[in-house]
Amino acid sequence: NAGVTQTPKFRVLKTGQSMTLLCAQDMNHEYMYWYRQDPGMGLRLIHYSVGEGTTAKGEVPDGYNVSRLKKQNFLLGLESAAPSQTSVYFCASSYRDGAYEQYFGPGTRLTVT
Amino acid sequence: QQQVKQSPQSLIVQKGGISIINCAYENTAFDYFPWYQQFPGKGPALLIAIRPDVSEKKEGRFTISFNKSAKQFSLHIMDSQPGDSATYFCAARRANAGKSTFGDGTTLTVKP
Repeated sequence: NAGVTQTPKFRVLKTGQSMTLLCAQDMNHEYMYWYRQDPGMGLRLIHYSVGEGTTAKGEVPDGYNVSRLKKQNFLLGLESAAPSQTSVYFCASSYRDGAYEQYFGPGTRLTVT
Repeated sequence: QQQVKQSPQSLIVQKGGISIINCAYENTAFDYFPWYQQFPGKGPALLIAIRPDVSEKKEGRFTISFNKSAKQFSLHIMDSQPGDSATYFCAARRANAGKSTFGDGTTLTVKP
C-alpha cells in the first residue's frame, strides 16, 4: 500500500514550457486535491476532484488544468509555465467528504526559470 | 478572505516546554478541525483532529482545545521535544464542501 505518490519529485522548466504532474493513490479514495505551498503562505488549493470524471476550481486555479480520468489518478497540467509557478506541489486524497483525513503525497518541487 | 487565521508564524520553545499554536475561523458551518504536521521535505500528515461538539481532545502529548463561541481552536504540545520541530497547519472543513481551508502554518523549533 503506497498511499499517495507523486511524479516527478523535482523538475526545472523554462518559461513557456509545459508539463504534467501525476498523482496516484491506491486507497480507493473518492476525493483528490492539488495544493501549492509557498513560504509563509501555507497550502493553497489549486483544483480538486470529488470523484472520477469531476474537477473543480480551488483558490488559485489560474494557469493550471487538471483531469481525473481514472479514480486513482489526478493530473495537474501547466500549459505555459511562468516563474510565479515556482513552488512545491502537493497532491492529497481523502476517502470522502466530511471528517476524513487527507493523505498527502511527498511533493514535487518545481522551478520555473 | 482568509477563513482560517493561524498564529504565531514561528515559535521557539525549550525542550520540555509547552508549545501553543492558535487558530481562529470565521465560517460557523465548519464542522471538522484537523491539525497537520509537516517535516522538511515531506508532505503534511494528520496529527490530531476535533469535531465542534467537544471542547478538548487529547492524544498523548498533543491536545486540541476548542472554543466554539469564540470560533477559536488551539494545539498544545506538552513536554515539547526536538523531534517535534516541524511546521504545523490547522485546517477547517465543512460537510459537502469537498475541501478544507488551511491556516498559513507555524514553524516550531524545539531547542535541546
